[in-house]
Amino acid sequence: RKEVEQDPGPFNVPEGATVAFNCTYSNSASQSFFWYRQDCRKEPKLLMSVYSSGNEDGRFTAQLNRASQYISLLIRDSKLSDSATYLCVVIPLTGYNKLIFGAGTRLAVHP
Amino acid sequence: DVKVTQSSRYLVKRTGEKVFLECVQDMDHENMFWYRQDPGLGLRLIYFSYDVKMKEKGDIPEGYSVSREKKERFSLILESASTNQTSMYLCASSPAAMNTEAFFGQGTRLTVV
Repeated sequence: RKEVEQDPGPFNVPEGATVAFNCTYSNSASQSFFWYRQDCRKEPKLLMSVYSSGNEDGRFTAQLNRASQYISLLIRDSKLSDSATYLCVVIPLTGYNKLIFGAGTRLAVHP
Repeated sequence: DVKVTQSSRYLVKRTGEKVFLECVQDMDHENMFWYRQDPGLGLRLIYFSYDVKMKEKGDIPEGYSVSREKKERFSLILESASTNQTSMYLCASSPAAMNTEAFFGQGTRLTVV
């Protein structure tokens, strides 16, 4: 079983739609969680951290459910520029800042 | 601006060649990472380093080695390139503090023929 699993998509949504991605992780001792965004032929970049209490950044909301070992990302009012691959990232409790990536979920927002 | 620079954007090498991929970061980060990215598999960790001359195997270290002689530079070595090592290679760095952002280089697309 992969350490971090995501639905690969693609999610094809119209502009203005709300879309949600989920990610599950297998290591219950994982300590930190992030969403990264990767545009086509570009490197991944941090979108947002995920905190136990949930957090919001503009149109983006991230939530963590430790009991069920999943993380979610909600995008409201989708824009064309949101089209990208969204990578779920987990840092296990190893003492190192070692990032484990999911395979990514592709989002395509169309007019 | 944090900068992570990989020496090449595109490389074509022959089977059996020894290949060096270089990565340099300018933010004095302690941690450096090498990942490969393949369609449907995402980013898989090959090796990482948390200090000069220190290295740890990631999930897929077979066929690779690394070198970190200076803090700012982390090299990935393919001892004898094979066609199944054709991939996008991404270098990243991050501070030692936990839960901090990692910064990536632009990637090296390696093709082994």
